[in-house]
Amino acid sequence: DTGVSQDPRHKITKRGQNVTFRCDPISEHNRLYWYRQTLGQGPEFLTYFQNEAQLEKSRLLSDRFSAERPKGSFSTLEIQRTEQGDSAMYLCASSPPARRSYNEQFFGPGTRLTVL
Amino acid sequence: KNQVEQSPQSLIILEGKNCTLQCNYTVSPFSNLRWYKQDTGRGPVSLTIMTFSENTKSNRRYTATLDADTKQSSLHITASQLSDSASYICVVSAANYGGATNKLIFGTGTLLAVQP
Repeated sequence: DTGVSQDPRHKITKRGQNVTFRCDPISEHNRLYWYRQTLGQGPEFLTYFQNEAQLEKSRLLSDRFSAERPKGSFSTLEIQRTEQGDSAMYLCASSPPARRSYNEQFFGPGTRLTVL
Repeated sequence: KNQVEQSPQSLIILEGKNCTLQCNYTVSPFSNLRWYKQDTGRGPVSLTIMTFSENTKSNRRYTATLDADTKQSSLHITASQLSDSASYICVVSAANYGGATNKLIFGTGTLLAVQP
């Protein structure tokens, strides 16, 4: 399968714990996005990488959230001191260089986070 | 404010019937509009992408229309199947000439249930 992959698919944690999610984009996609989706809502943009550079961050990305893409390939999203309000589906998407597409984004299956 | 509104919020139809989902947007400047299908617990999958100059685009049993003057789009599903049960999300891309990426504005989706 050459699509976007995310790991883990499900994560249950206790309030106050740290969690880290991983996203592997489609190879040769230089752009990578993180979104958060709560039940009954559309995805909300969190952050965007072009290669290894984090170019945009949403105001939703509080100080407890950090994302990295150290080598311009896979990315990690870490949430420190989790809160119950962090419970959501965390989606990763990737897209090829802008000249090839309308910024079409290919989504991964998501990581479902439940904070108890 | 850039917004995407979808109707109805949810819809139940019998297998084999047709249905039409609506999307109204107030995104400017407009770049393109896409429809995504999201199965429960999965990431969104792109169905169509339409640019300003395209009025109709078909993908198998899905036909999307776009009226850029009235800022409306529809997604028509023909001869529905049980596997069509999913959330259908309308996403509008705002041209972001000064930024790193076009912004995607997501609707909240229409939840479609196809019953036998």
